[in-house]
Amino acid sequence: SQQGEEDPQALSIQEGENATMNCSYKTSINNLQWYRQNSGRGLVHLILIRSNEREKHSGRLRVTLDTSKKSSSLLITASRAADTASYFCATGHSGNTPLVFGKGTRLSVIA
Amino acid sequence: EADIYQTPRYLVIGTGKKITLECSQTMGHDKMYWYQQDPGMELHLIHYSYGVNSTEKGDLSSESTVSRIRTEHFPLTLESARPSHTSQYLCASSDRDADTQYFGPGTRLTVL
Repeated sequence: SQQGEEDPQALSIQEGENATMNCSYKTSINNLQWYRQNSGRGLVHLILIRSNEREKHSGRLRVTLDTSKKSSSLLITASRAADTASYFCATGHSGNTPLVFGKGTRLSVIA
Repeated sequence: EADIYQTPRYLVIGTGKKITLECSQTMGHDKMYWYQQDPGMELHLIHYSYGVNSTEKGDLSSESTVSRIRTEHFPLTLESARPSHTSQYLCASSDRDADTQYFGPGTRLTVL
């Protein structure tokens, strides 16, 4: 399976702390994306990083990509209770194949 | 802002019923997808389409069927619902030349 793996499966932190989630994948990619899902809702796209990029920022989000290790990390700085959600990585591949989603990390930010 | 709609949002039905879950998008996207997701669990791709009259099965074997007669519409049908079909069904779409997917709010299906 090409499916990515997020680590940790669940993370609980205090408001104001930073949250780091990791994603590992198995095959070569064109891009890697991170999505957020609030309980019982659809996923929302957060950020996309291409295979030739190493780091990308968007507001409080910072994503890194290490293609040699086939891994990515998502850092949320100064977390808020509203950041409580599940976060999924997804890898885009060549050959017009659909995105492959990981199993997700459940983040709880405690006020 | 993504404009992708799913109806109904919640559905409770009895075993053996035929149901159709609706998904529509107003973004003109060529690609559309159906995922099945149990609460708090991973997404499983069950069907996708890259254009009108084109449909493919995903990674998860499913007893459902789909059709793509119009670009904006991608309904999913269960001919005979069973309790094992109880789950959340998510629809998504993406542009022809992009991977980023836009998701609908989901349909939570319960089969009694």
